[in-house]
Amino acid sequence: QITLKESGPTLVKPTQTLTLTCTFSGFSLSATGVGVGWIRQPPGKALEWLALIYWTNGERYSPSLRNRLTITKDSSKNQVVLTMTNMDPVDTATYYCAHRDPAMVVFDYWGQGTLVTVSS
Amino acid sequence: QSALTQPASVSGSPGQSITISCTGTSSDVGGYNYVSWYQQHPDRAPKVVIYDVSKRPSGVSNRFSGSKSGNTASLTISGLQAEDEADYYCSAYRSSSTLVFGTGTKVTVL
Repeated sequence: QITLKESGPTLVKPTQTLTLTCTFSGFSLSATGVGVGWIRQPPGKALEWLALIYWTNGERYSPSLRNRLTITKDSSKNQVVLTMTNMDPVDTATYYCAHRDPAMVVFDYWGQGTLVTVSS
Repeated sequence: QSALTQPASVSGSPGQSITISCTGTSSDVGGYNYVSWYQQHPDRAPKVVIYDVSKRPSGVSNRFSGSKSGNTASLTISGLQAEDEADYYCSAYRSSSTLVFGTGTKVTVL
């Protein structure tokens, strides 16, 4: 059974760096084709894809945010970490991590999400 | 990067069929057969209902179907039920190995 869970601060100040951790089980991020992505959703607004990391350590980023994002993985700990620099109130959102199936270009399992508020 | 365009809302009566459109460009929807659709109930994580334009994951009702024509993909829900009331998002693979979501559509069952 695949599960994912996001963890990190619920409140950050403007200009600070956000670090979120996705801890997963039920799959290996060393297995061919597997990926883990991050997606966010501001309150009442649409989903926005942020980043994706593959089993090969290959990384992909949203072009509009790539200069602020870093995604890394620790396969031994079953964790994926997303850092976002220079946080702003507009970055207030629920942040989700999700499993990308090797055979499909789709996020088939999602974490419950974690709400991050950016405020001084 | 610009989001895919969806209607803000679609409604229908129980038993009816509704269709949600998702318009992109030749660099995403029109260029690859990697369009997926997600259903999201309030305060819940999204759930995939269609992937690769028209494939249904195991366990998803066959009342959900997907298609694509040119730069526009569509999700059809037939035999609309109260439990289908939710927000729906399309997503597509975009050139340079990136992904993009749609603006979202609120489905209301009258």
